[in-house]
Amino acid sequence: EIVLTQSPGTLSLSPGERATLSCRASQSVSSSYLAWYQQKPGQAPRLLIYGASSRATGIPDRFSGSGSGTDFTLTISRLEPEDFAVYYCQQYGSSLFGPGTKVDIK
Amino acid sequence: QVQLQESGPGLVKPSQTLSLTCTVSGGSISSGGYYWSWIRQHPGKGLEWIGYIYYSGSTYYNPSLKSRVTISVDTSKNQFSLKLSSVTAADTAVYYCARGPVITMIVVVIGYFDYWGQGTLVTVSS
Repeated sequence: EIVLTQSPGTLSLSPGERATLSCRASQSVSSSYLAWYQQKPGQAPRLLIYGASSRATGIPDRFSGSGSGTDFTLTISRLEPEDFAVYYCQQYGSSLFGPGTKVDIK
Repeated sequence: QVQLQESGPGLVKPSQTLSLTCTVSGGSISSGGYYWSWIRQHPGKGLEWIGYIYYSGSTYYNPSLKSRVTISVDTSKNQFSLKLSSVTAADTAVYYCARGPVITMIVVVIGYFDYWGQGTLVTVSS
């Protein structure tokens, strides 16, 4: 069974800074079946990226995804105040979610 | 704009069956092309996919919950439902319904989730 690891657990940054979040799988992820979600307190997750690098409808271009095989990255080029949240990766071949990375305000 | 809304009891007694319904608006379950899923999130924790149903009624469940889960669909009401039997405190969670595009029907690919309900907290307690 694939295990997903996200790092760091918490990322403390200031608005305007670049955020780089990592998602690592214990086995190669088929066909780049990797998605990223953003979740704010009291809200449902919001799809950001699917297919490792395709932005979902309505997602700003400051969000980008990259990677293949076992190593994937979500990059937020310049953090806006509304971007401080928890981010989850998902390997959607078997629908396994990572433990999440919290991006909070430094 | 597709919208999903969960409904059902917020409190369930241990050993009983948890029952939730998801009502879909802005799109038809019968149109096909999408799996309709249930996902839960334990308080302060990560996300766990429970299972999905296709408009035809075909289902696929998380193996860890399969023995206790039943998902059904009522296309006439544009709703799908979750039943989780023999609940314990460990089933206390926020339950979400969600839609995901079918990636392929050749092999099982659960898929990602593009629309979510707001979630409903279900507490298991006597």
